[in-house]
Amino acid sequence: GQNIDQPTEMTATEGAIVQINCTYQTSGFNGLFWYQQHAGEAPTFLSYNVLDGLEEKGRFSSFLSRSKGYSYLLLKELQMKDSASYLCAVRDSNYQLIWGAGTKLIIKP
Amino acid sequence: KAGVTQTPRYLIKTRGQQVTLSCSPISGHRSVSWYQQTPGQGLQFLFEYFSETQRNKGNFPGRFSGRQFSNSRSEMNVSTLELGDSALYLCASTLPDTASITSNQPQHFGDGTRLSIL
Repeated sequence: GQNIDQPTEMTATEGAIVQINCTYQTSGFNGLFWYQQHAGEAPTFLSYNVLDGLEEKGRFSSFLSRSKGYSYLLLKELQMKDSASYLCAVRDSNYQLIWGAGTKLIIKP
Repeated sequence: KAGVTQTPRYLIKTRGQQVTLSCSPISGHRSVSWYQQTPGQGLQFLFEYFSETQRNKGNFPGRFSGRQFSNSRSEMNVSTLELGDSALYLCASTLPDTASITSNQPQHFGDGTRLSIL
């Protein structure tokens, strides 16, 4: 079967750096997405990786290793508003998106 | 540019009833996907529609169905509701029209319909 694993919950301090990991086992690979979802709101797109390496977008970066079936989302200079769930999703060989259960990130002052 | 619009936002039903949820995609988006989200389960894929045709389907029972209209608006229907159907139902739209081009396009989500079954 297809599977995406993320930690259920993480806690970090305001101003610090946090890395949220995602490992996947899917039938084929056509890209990996990260989304942010605040409580009670819709998921919003953060980043996309299809080639190995690091993609940087301001305070957020996402890394991909296809050979290891592994990605991470790196959040720098954490702010209280970064408290949210972070969802990892992989597009498989049928171009269908397979979603992880999400990582709830709690930021403490 | 208006985002994805889902109606209603909240709905309360009883077991055995049926329900219809509506989704209007971003203007110009032709692909619409539906998801069920429950605490701890993440997003569970229901189905995807493109040009009024179901292109992909998840592992949900036949009680869950959907359709797409010529203006790309979509509806999903759940019949014979069960307590376990209580969830947030999210709709997402995507721009391009072929799977290979779609691969790098993100999905844009509506705020969802929160369905509670009593």
